[in-house]
Formats: sequence, structure tokens, C-alpha cells
Amino acid sequence: RKEVEQDPGPFNVPEGATVAFNCTYSNSASQSFFWYRQDCRKEPKLLMSVYSSGNEDGRFTAQLNRASQYISLLIRDSKLSDSATYLCVVNKRSYIPTFGRGTSLIVHP
Amino acid sequence: GAGVSQSPRYKVAKRGQDVALRCDPISGHVSLFWYQQALGQGPEFLTYFQNEAQLDKSGLPSDRFFAERPEGSVSTLKIQRTQQEDSAVYLCASSHPRERGGGETQYFGPGTRLLVL
Repeated sequence: RKEVEQDPGPFNVPEGATVAFNCTYSNSASQSFFWYRQDCRKEPKLLMSVYSSGNEDGRFTAQLNRASQYISLLIRDSKLSDSATYLCVVNKRSYIPTFGRGTSLIVHP
Repeated sequence: GAGVSQSPRYKVAKRGQDVALRCDPISGHVSLFWYQQALGQGPEFLTYFQNEAQLDKSGLPSDRFFAERPEGSVSTLKIQRTQQEDSAVYLCASSHPRERGGGETQYFGPGTRLLVL
């Protein structure tokens, strides 16, 4: 079993839709969690950190469920510019991140 | 300010050739990471430096891979006797550790696309 698992998609949604991605992790001792965004042929960029209490940044909401060992990302009112690959990242030790393979999102008009 | 830069951006190598990939991290960033990203996959951790010290190299796939950061700034990833399976994007990232430790925002360079023929 991979340490961090994501559904690769693609998720194909119309503009304005709400879409949610989940990511599961296997190491219960994992300490910190992030969502990164990667555009085609570009480098990953931090989208948001994920806190135990859940956090929101505009149209984006991230949640952590330690008991079930998953994190989620919710995108409301999808824009064409949200089309990208969303990478789940889990730090199993204080500095070593493990990336999921990413979930592809395509937002169409 | 300037972000993380990597060079070359593209490299074509013949099988068996040695290559060297360079990373210039953000000035003042203590931590530096190297990743390998295959097509359709997420970045895979290769190695980690804190200043000039290589604290973790558990992700290096073989002894043909070697990384250094002699002065705690610029880093070089060297691959000896390249093989076709080494073809991938090599990403460098730097970060500044938080005081409490655990979880740092990583800033990635644009990557070096390596193709081994």
C-alpha cells in the first residue's frame, strides 16, 4: 500500500461546480499536511496547509481526519483557472514530505 | 525576491553519460530537497540538506546518484552512468524551517527535464 494515496481522476466538472478530493495516508504518526497545486509542465506550488480544525481560504476548504487518516480539499464555484493537478503532501517526520500522485481537475465552460 | 532556480532546464544524455544538475535555492533558506518526478506521478523524495549537511539520502535510487551542498547554498545532483529509467523531471525545493519544527512550506524550482536515450 502506498503511503499517500489519491484518486488520479481526472475530475471533469463545469464552471461553478463544487468538487472535492480526498487523500488517505498510512502512517498514523504523520505530523503535517498540505495541498499543493501543479500546473502542466510547471513546478508544484503550495495551495494551503491543512490544520486539525479545518481551514478555509476563499473558495478552498481543507480538512483533516486523523482518526480515519485522510485529508480533503473542497473547491467551491470552480473556475477554469482551477484546472490543474492537486497534490496531497504528508510529512511523516518533521522534514520529509511524501507526495501523492496527484488528482487531475479539469474545469470546462 | 528571486525564487529557486535550476539549470539546465532540459538535458538530453546518452545512456552511460554522467550528468550534473544544479539548484540555486532562495537566499537564506536552510533546507534544500531534491525530488524525482516521473510522468503522471507525484514528486518522489530523493535527499534532504540542512545547510551543508546531508541529513537524509534515503530516497536516492542507487549509488549512481550523488548530491552535495558544500557551502550550504547551491546544490548539485549528480547522476553517474545514466540509464533510461533515470529519465524524469528533477525538482529542487528550498524552505526555511519553522521554529517549532514539523511542516515547512517548500518553494520549488522549475525543474530539470532529463531524457536519457
